[in-house]
Amino acid sequence: RKEVEQDPGPFNVPEGATVAFNCTYSNSASQSFFWYRQDCRKEPKLLMSVYSSGNEDGRFTAQLNRASQYISLLIRDSKLSDSATYLCVVTLNQGGKLIFGQGTELSVKP
Amino acid sequence: GAVVSQHPSRVICKSGTSVKIECRSLDFQATTMFWYRQFPKKSLMLMATSNEGSKATYEQGVEKDKFLINHASLTLSTLTVTSAHPEDSSFYICSATRGAEGPQHFGDGTRLSIL
Repeated sequence: RKEVEQDPGPFNVPEGATVAFNCTYSNSASQSFFWYRQDCRKEPKLLMSVYSSGNEDGRFTAQLNRASQYISLLIRDSKLSDSATYLCVVTLNQGGKLIFGQGTELSVKP
Repeated sequence: GAVVSQHPSRVICKSGTSVKIECRSLDFQATTMFWYRQFPKKSLMLMATSNEGSKATYEQGVEKDKFLINHASLTLSTLTVTSAHPEDSSFYICSATRGAEGPQHFGDGTRLSIL
């Protein structure tokens, strides 16, 4: 079983759509959780950290369910510029090595 | 602005050449840096953890004699791909954490192509 597993993509959605990404992790001792965004042939960039209470940043909402070992990312009112690969990332301890999911590609069309 | 700088961004060289990639933290000290590799359409895989002043910790399956890591100062880690072959062609990315508990910031990555 992969340590971090994401929805297989790609997701093709029209502008303005709401899209949800799912992620599960296998190690219950995992401590920190993130969503990163990676554009084609570029380095990953931190989108947001994920907290147990859930957190929102503009059009983006992240949720964490420790009991189910499940993480989600919701993007509302999607824009063309949201097209990228979204990476679910987990770490066993803060400041430690990151464990990446395989990524879910999103393509937002006009 | 960028907090981690990686150089060079692109390397094309012949098989058998050794290639050095630098990773610098720009405005903070990083006792630990990480080196990742990403093949096309695949996720990032951690290769090794670079520790300032001590030996790097390599992930299973990564040859330490093939991928030499030196972390000689608190702002610089280098990865040298020795005697590179076409199968070493990949996107290499470093990262560093600002503070013990901060998120990791990535360098721009180095696209290595071995002919």
